[in-house]
Amino acid sequence: QVQLQESGPGLVKPSETLSLTCNVSGYSIGSGHYWGWVRQPPGQGLEWIGFIFHTGVVFYSPSLKSQVTISVDASKNQFSLKFTSMTAADTAMYYCVRVASIHALTYFDFWGHGTLVAVSS
Amino acid sequence: DIQMTQSPPALSASVGDRVTIFCQANQDIRKLLAWYQQKPGQAPRVLVYDASTLQPGVPSRFSGSGSGRDFTFVITTLQPEDVATYYCQQYDHLPLTFGGGTRVEI
Repeated sequence: QVQLQESGPGLVKPSETLSLTCNVSGYSIGSGHYWGWVRQPPGQGLEWIGFIFHTGVVFYSPSLKSQVTISVDASKNQFSLKFTSMTAADTAMYYCVRVASIHALTYFDFWGHGTLVAVSS
Repeated sequence: DIQMTQSPPALSASVGDRVTIFCQANQDIRKLLAWYQQKPGQAPRVLVYDASTLQPGVPSRFSGSGSGRDFTFVITTLQPEDVATYYCQQYDHLPLTFGGGTRVEI
């Protein structure tokens, strides 16, 4: 069974950079699929951030592209998110996800439990 | 960006009721739509993809239909464990976008 587990700080200060890692078990990232991030502000809906293939091909949401970098380390079977210039509006639950096929344009079939990140001084 | 509009935003129904949720895209997305269930305090999980294909392991009381711009999600016989927020998501174009969600209560 594919399992994803996010790790990272629960609190960052305004203007700082958030770094999150997603560890994958039960499936080798190098075997295929895109891997990505979705976030959800408290009490609000879901927002796609971006995703990456093990070869390094990456797609970002245009509205977040200037702040986001997603990278992959297939040797460690993990991928990461860096989000710069955090503001209170970026307070959210951050989920790592697996895209359901080797094609980027599809749905998410596995989700991590999520990690809540608050932005506050 | 493709905008996804869900309705209603919330509904209350009784156990055994038929529940219907609507999702409309602001442009044609063919059948490239998924439905997710998010229970309180949990991550979303996919129930339906390609508008009408049930994810393996999902109870048959859940179903989806539609194509183009208009889509419907139905719970034929509402159960207590179906209390959740349901989201649609289009994957015809990047950026991937979600509907605003429908909260289902009993």
